[in-house]
Amino acid sequence: AQSVTQLDSQVPVFEEAPVELRCNYSSSVSVYLFWYVQYPNQGLQLLLKYLSGSTLVKGINGFEAEFNKSQTSFHLRKPSVHISDTAEYFCAVRNYGQNFVFGPGTRLSVLP
Amino acid sequence: GAGVSQTPSNKVTEKGKYVELRCDPISGHTALYWYRQSLGQGPEFLIYFQGTGAADDSGLPNDRFFAVRPEGSVSTLKIQRTERGDSAVYLCASSFLGGANNEQFFGPGTRLTVL
Repeated sequence: AQSVTQLDSQVPVFEEAPVELRCNYSSSVSVYLFWYVQYPNQGLQLLLKYLSGSTLVKGINGFEAEFNKSQTSFHLRKPSVHISDTAEYFCAVRNYGQNFVFGPGTRLSVLP
Repeated sequence: GAGVSQTPSNKVTEKGKYVELRCDPISGHTALYWYRQSLGQGPEFLIYFQGTGAADDSGLPNDRFFAVRPEGSVSTLKIQRTERGDSAVYLCASSFLGGANNEQFFGPGTRLTVL
C-alpha cells in the first residue's frame, strides 16, 4: 500500500521569502509524484509532476520540486513567495493501478 | 474551454435521506474519478470509470455508495441512507486517458452536509 506524509500542516511565511513544503511517500513499487494546489472554494490544480527523467521538476507559478528516491521525498520549493500563493498544497502519488493517494495537505499562509 | 463541472455546489440533507451528486467531465475525456475530501484532509479515492464501466471501485466505503456513468460522459454518485459521517466535499476529476501519467482535471466539488 502507498502512503503520503506531509509533515507540516501549516506553514506561515513572509512575502518574498523562500518556502519548502515537505512530502514523503512510501510505496513498494515505482510511482508517479504530483503536487496540487487548492485555492479557497476552487478545485485542485496541478502544479507539477514527476514521471521520469530529471529529478528536478519545474511547474507553474515558479514552483519546483525534487524527487529523491533514496529518501522517498518530493519536496516543493519556491524561492520567493507572493500573497497570491496562499492556498492548500497537496502531494500525491500514483502507481500503475491508476489511483491517486493524497497527503493530508499543507496550508501555506503568505504574510505581508 | 469548459472544465469539469459539478452540481450542486452545495447540498444539505437530513440523516437517512438519499442524494445524487452529478459530474460533467471535460468533453472527450474517457476516464472519470470520484474523490471525497473530509475537513482538514486530502482527497480520498472512491471510484474510477474508464468509459461506461467502473474500472476500480475499491474506494467506495460501503454499499450505501454507488456511482454510474451510463453513456461514458456524465457521472452520478449516489448515496443512500446518508449519515452525518458522509459530510464532506465530493470531488470529481477527468482525464483524457486513464493512464497513471495522465493529468487529472478536478471540478470545484460538491459540499455535502448531512444534518
